Amino acid sequence: NAGVTQTPKFQVLKTGQSMTLQCAQDMNHEYMSWYRQDPGMGLRLIHYSVGAGITDQGEVPNGYNVSRSTTEDFPLRLLSAAPSQTSVYFCASSNSGTEQFFGPGTRLTVL
Amino acid sequence: AQSVTQPDIHITVSEGASLELRCNYSYGATPYLFWYVQSPGQGLQLLLKYFSGDTLVQGIKGFEAEFKRSQSSFNLRKPSVHWSDAAEYFCAVGSNDYKLSFGAGTTVTVRA
Repeated sequence: NAGVTQTPKFQVLKTGQSMTLQCAQDMNHEYMSWYRQDPGMGLRLIHYSVGAGITDQGEVPNGYNVSRSTTEDFPLRLLSAAPSQTSVYFCASSNSGTEQFFGPGTRLTVL
Repeated sequence: AQSVTQPDIHITVSEGASLELRCNYSYGATPYLFWYVQSPGQGLQLLLKYFSGDTLVQGIKGFEAEFKRSQSSFNLRKPSVHWSDAAEYFCAVGSNDYKLSFGAGTTVTVRA
């Protein structure tokens, strides 16, 4: 079991560029979530999914898109990167009644 | 709306001393409560969780937490800290497992 994997580990973008952060899990979990972590603010929920084809917004969804075409994958798309999106991004997965398993994170810098 | 407050931004403790990290939450119903630990440059690891039942919860690495509904608190404790406990600790609350609100975190420094 690889658990939750995220790629890339590091990324530098210029303002206005787009990119996709990849997240995959091999535990057959129903639920997947994206969080961003900023100093002094803990983790904030961006988007989440309760199953393939079903997504919803979290606390800070603006500027991000998600889709869930398979159980395993939950990519996060930045449509037009802004410096305010400089952060560390974590993907997590779980089943009902279990803990959330977090990926190792993607550190994104937007110049 | 659910929210979590961790009043202590930074705690320094001597190796072998006891540790208590505070967590207060705001939630309308019976919450799911979690404590996670994050070592520098790493992801988050679950220490323990409370869903229902016994209000004193045992976790990994010798940690425990007590749910006190009357005080809306879920404080984390360890009787004797080790240098390897130096990390950042996050309390989280939610109505389920996948939609959590996190506190801002408490950084623990362990001095020899």
